[in-house]
Amino acid sequence: EDKVVQSPLSLVVHEGDTVTLNCSYEVTNFRSLLWYKQEKKAPTFLFMLTSSGIEKKSGRLSSILDKKELFSILNITATQTGDSAVYLCAVPTHNTDKLIFGTGTRLQVFP
Amino acid sequence: DGGITQSPKYLFRKEGQNVTLSCEQNLNHDAMYWYRQDPGQGLRLIYYSQIVNDFQKGDIAEGYSVSREKKESFPLTVTSAQKNPTAFYLCASSIDQTGDYGYTFGSGTRLTVV
Repeated sequence: EDKVVQSPLSLVVHEGDTVTLNCSYEVTNFRSLLWYKQEKKAPTFLFMLTSSGIEKKSGRLSSILDKKELFSILNITATQTGDSAVYLCAVPTHNTDKLIFGTGTRLQVFP
Repeated sequence: DGGITQSPKYLFRKEGQNVTLSCEQNLNHDAMYWYRQDPGQGLRLIYYSQIVNDFQKGDIAEGYSVSREKKESFPLTVTSAQKNPTAFYLCASSIDQTGDYGYTFGSGTRLTVV
């Protein structure tokens, strides 16, 4: 059965800290892995990763994929209170052509 | 601007009543999806549709129904058979059927059964 597991479930840090969020997956015929940020309502797209070892970067956020070990990490450096959100990881399945999501990591950044 | 519109944002329902959540997109996307989100459980797929007049059950379809009469619209009905309907409901669409390029999400509808 295809699945996505995220850890930790919850993380509390102070502004300026660096955090690493983890996503491991098991899926037949892996194609891509996606990261989303959900603040209050609609998840918004962050990154799509398809190749191992190639870092995607956007400002203070970066992500990398390891297809051999079947995981991805999302790094946030110099965290700000605006980074507080639930971060979701998802992969498209092979047989059903839909995204399956992990449970998400809830990040809280305090001043 | 293109996007997905869900309405209403908040909905209250008495037990035993059916209620329909609206989802409209103007992105010309083929595929549309309904997810339910509960605290600590991530997103769970209710129904999805890859083309007009066709849809498939997701992982938790019991107590829900959908229709896809137009490409732009994918309404979700929460029936009285759904035992625990209080949740946050998200509608999404994708440009094609594979999901490879990710989804665009609506802002969600929070349903509360009173």
